Amino acid sequence: GNSVTQMEGPVTLSEEAFLTINCTYTATGYPSLFWYVQYPGEGLQLLLKATKADDKGSNKGFEATYRKETTSFHLEKGSVQVSDSAVYFCALNSGGSYIPTFGRGTSLIVHP
Amino acid sequence: EPEVTQTPSHQVTQMGQEVILRCVPISNHLYFYWYRQILGQKVEFLVSFYNNEISEKSEIFDDQFSVERPDGSNFTLKIRSTKLEDSAMYFCASSDTAVHNTFFGPGTRLTVL
Repeated sequence: GNSVTQMEGPVTLSEEAFLTINCTYTATGYPSLFWYVQYPGEGLQLLLKATKADDKGSNKGFEATYRKETTSFHLEKGSVQVSDSAVYFCALNSGGSYIPTFGRGTSLIVHP
Repeated sequence: EPEVTQTPSHQVTQMGQEVILRCVPISNHLYFYWYRQILGQKVEFLVSFYNNEISEKSEIFDDQFSVERPDGSNFTLKIRSTKLEDSAMYFCASSDTAVHNTFFGPGTRLTVL
């Protein structure tokens, strides 16, 4: 079946540091891959997505590249801000279902 | 910007009691979902709902759970007899088509004592 594995959190960084949150997956067929973000007190929001191998999703300075050979979709940002503090979820859907399978989420804390 | 809303934000109940979690999806959306997240664990799919019936459900969604769209705006999740392990954050979501464009609500934190 489908599964998503994310790095354990929390990830604690200083403002302007480089961010990487690792995500690897197992899936049937050719999955679409997503990153969601949950800011404190809010719902899950789609941050970016990639639907085929070598696609790069990007939004708000965040990027992730769909790597089929390593079954990975790592989230990166060159310079984080305090306002990026949130929980980040990697997710996929495949096998003809549009219902995403989520990872556990990784908490990011950015200090001024 | 349209959003999915959920009430209450936090519900505390005694084991064995029934609870109803309420959601108002985005008005022109046709697909509705419930997910849950037990503290520190992954977000898990419970059920999807389309055209006034369940279209898909997970093994978590047993006979204790039911969903309903009682009117044109609300979408509810009922847990008939709550157990301690039902304590979790419950997220409602909606989408306009089956292609992924899903919006999530802020969640209801359910605490079963």
